[in-house]
Amino acid sequence: AQSVTQPDIHITVSEGASLELRCNYSYGATPYLFWYVQSPGQGLQLLLKYFSGDTLVQGIKGFEAEFKRSQSSFNLRKPSVHWSDAAEYFCAVGSNNDMRFGAGTRLTVKP
Amino acid sequence: DGGITQSPKYLFRKEGQNVTLSCEQNLNHDAMYWYRQDPGQGLRLIYYSQIVNDFQKGDIAEGYSVSREKKESFPLTVTSAQKNPTAFYLCASSIRSGRGRREQFFGPGTRLTVL
Repeated sequence: AQSVTQPDIHITVSEGASLELRCNYSYGATPYLFWYVQSPGQGLQLLLKYFSGDTLVQGIKGFEAEFKRSQSSFNLRKPSVHWSDAAEYFCAVGSNNDMRFGAGTRLTVKP
Repeated sequence: DGGITQSPKYLFRKEGQNVTLSCEQNLNHDAMYWYRQDPGQGLRLIYYSQIVNDFQKGDIAEGYSVSREKKESFPLTVTSAQKNPTAFYLCASSIRSGRGRREQFFGPGTRLTVL
């Protein structure tokens, strides 16, 4: 069965520190991969996506993610976190009309 | 200004009443989706529609109904048969790219509370 795991429910980092959010998936074929960000009470905004090709993808707001087929992972990274990055982050995996979302990782940024 | 609108933002209903959530998009997207979000869980697909007058059940369709009479609109009705309807509901839409790929864009959501 298809599934997405975000192992970290909550992460706290200091402003200016680097960030890595983990995402692991189980899927029959090579899926499409996405990271979304959600502020409280808001909809989801797409940060970046992977369909094929270069396994390191760049997104908005200085985020990047790397697809590692051998590890079934698509981890999100940012070299220097800003206070405005505090939000909930969702990894999503699937095909065109069959998307599976992880449970989310809540990011807190310390001043 | 293109986008997806959901109304209302907050909705309160008494137990046993049906309620309809609105979703409208002016992005000219062909596909539309409804998701339910509960605390500590990811999004779960309720229904989706790829063309007018056609829709498919998602993982948790029981207790919900939809219609797609216009390309721009995909209302969701939460019926009294839904056992635990209090949740945050998100509407999304997508269009197939030249390579056949889709990415979903989300509306701002409606928080439904059943009293």
